[in-house]
Parts: sequence; C-alpha cells; structure tokens
Amino acid sequence: KAGVTQTPRYLIKTRGQQVTLSCSPISGHRSVSWYQQTPGQGLQFLFEYFSETQRNKGNFPGRFSGRQFSNSRSEMNVSTLELGDSALYLCASSHPSTSGESYEQYFGPGTRLTVT
Amino acid sequence: AQRVTQPEKLLSVFKGAPVELKCNYSYSGSPELFWYVQYSRQRLQLLLRHISRESIKGFTADLNKGETSFHLKKPFAQEEDSAMYYCALSGRGGGADGLTFGKGTHLIIQP
Repeated sequence: KAGVTQTPRYLIKTRGQQVTLSCSPISGHRSVSWYQQTPGQGLQFLFEYFSETQRNKGNFPGRFSGRQFSNSRSEMNVSTLELGDSALYLCASSHPSTSGESYEQYFGPGTRLTVT
Repeated sequence: AQRVTQPEKLLSVFKGAPVELKCNYSYSGSPELFWYVQYSRQRLQLLLRHISRESIKGFTADLNKGETSFHLKKPFAQEEDSAMYYCALSGRGGGADGLTFGKGTHLIIQP
C-alpha cells in the first residue's frame, strides 16, 4: 500500500497570507489527523477528521481549520499567517478498529511551512 | 488535561549497554500509551503500544499506573537504535482522538 502523502512538501509564505495543505491517507483509512511540530512546542494535535466530520480538535486558534472529502483526502487551512506558524505540519491516517482501542496512526512526511 | 513528560532531551549510551527512555504521563482516566520512533530522514512510526504488550526490535515498555510511567527499555543497545523517540498518550479508546506527545528524547548509540 502506498503511504500517507502530503503536498506540498515545502512552502514559503508571507505573514498575513493564507495557506492550504493537502493530505492523502492510506487507501481504506477513513480517519485523518493533523499535527504541528515545532522545536519549542514539539508535536501538537490540531484536529481529526473521520467520514468528513471533525471529530476532535486541539487547542489552536480558529485561524486553523480543516476539512475532509468523501475520498478521505483532507486539507488544512491556516489564514492570516503569523511568524509563529512556521512549523512542520504532519498528517496521519488510521483505520477504524473494532476492538474499541485506539488504533495506530501512520504519518506522512510532513509539509515544512516557513512564514516570513 | 493530559500531559506527557519525557525528562531527557538527549540520551547517549554505548553499544551493548542497556537503554531506558523515561516517560511519565498525567491523565485522569485510563490512557493508552504508545512509543513512536523517527529514524534519520524517515517518517514518524509506531514502535509499540502498551495494549499489545509485545517486544519490537528488542524494546519493551510496561505501563505502571501507580507511577504513571511508561518507560521504554532495551537490554542491549544497537547502533541502529539511534533515533528520536516520542512517548504518546491517547485518552479515549475506539478512535484516533488525537495523540498527546512528549517532547521527545534523542537517543544516540555510540560505537
């Protein structure tokens, strides 16, 4: 199976602009989660989508939003970019488990966003 | 609020020596704990999870609810174990409801 793919891999934006990042999950996976990784804060959960619905959200401002399409592909959008939004944005997909336990997340390579 | 603490940013040991990467958590319910690993120029990947209680690449981790710890151990380190290791917590079963990660420990195995 092909792994999780993210596009673009690198992005440079100017403060105040907006950006859209894309994530294609592993075939058959219906859950997509997004994380922000920075040297200072580490890996932080942004949100999770399952069957086109946001199921859980981390502690980020409303400038961060996302959506999921019927084919499970997901996008995240950051509006009014700030310098502090510079980070590696990771997407992870997972397959529902019938056992009731949390299931393994498969991570993509990330999109490196630089805000100048 | 849930929190994961990895007290060591960097851990350097010699090949063949035992390794222990510490992880402590804070969560009021019954958490699920994981160890993720990121080798150089590779993606973040699951190493092991406490529910499966299996040993992967010689690593084991036991969930100690009394001490709220989930330390990762390996009796004899190998050079290929050099990587970033992240301890993570999921607060609810049945879904990927968002992992809370520790800041990570950079493990360096010296020859």
